[in-house]
Amino acid sequence: GAVVSQHPSWVICKSGTSVKIECRSLDFQATTMFWYRQFPKQSLMLMATSNEGSKATYEQGVEKDKFLINHASLTLSTLTVTSAHPEDSSFYICSARDGKLADTGELFFGEGSRLTVL
Amino acid sequence: QKEVEQDPGPLSVPEGAIVSLNCTYSNSAFQYFMWYRQYSRKGPELLMYTYSSGNKEDGRFTAQVDKSSKYISLFIRDSQPSDSATYLCAILNFGNEKLTFGTGTRLTIIP
Repeated sequence: GAVVSQHPSWVICKSGTSVKIECRSLDFQATTMFWYRQFPKQSLMLMATSNEGSKATYEQGVEKDKFLINHASLTLSTLTVTSAHPEDSSFYICSARDGKLADTGELFFGEGSRLTVL
Repeated sequence: QKEVEQDPGPLSVPEGAIVSLNCTYSNSAFQYFMWYRQYSRKGPELLMYTYSSGNKEDGRFTAQVDKSSKYISLFIRDSQPSDSATYLCAILNFGNEKLTFGTGTRLTIIP
């Protein structure tokens, strides 16, 4: 089946630094990728929708200047958490939709990236 | 009211039992219904999806949708310890392509 790779899987950083998380579709072209945040024992909360070649669409309450999303190619989207603070510590997950499977709505998820901000 | 409601559990059942997981939703525009399984510290993986009312079977798993009641269920037969995970229902609105997740139910199958 389709594979989505997310890197890094675990990152620890100091408060005030920026962290970049990559999401790659390995065997299909993803015109649309999604970024979610998941706090412990809570559901996935959609942060933004990333469309290749255009600006990301952010959900209400998500700061676009803090969570920078770039979808420069059909196989790569990046999420950069700028000036990270401890409250940004969370599990970040990306997902991608295979353009050919758009009618089924099936999404493929990355393994997630756990960010801990000290 | 949340768009998708799911009992977070935890739910513990003995091995071999039938497990019933449920979600309710409020938006009639929701068109696609999915169940994901998520192991600890991993991303979700799709188990099943359906778009119509009724039952859909895949091995030990049965997804059930009742659009009139806005109620979806996942049944697991002959449950195994390897089924222990968090199960999330997710509903897709094709109109805005948004996937809305339930909070997830943590399931433990006791050997």
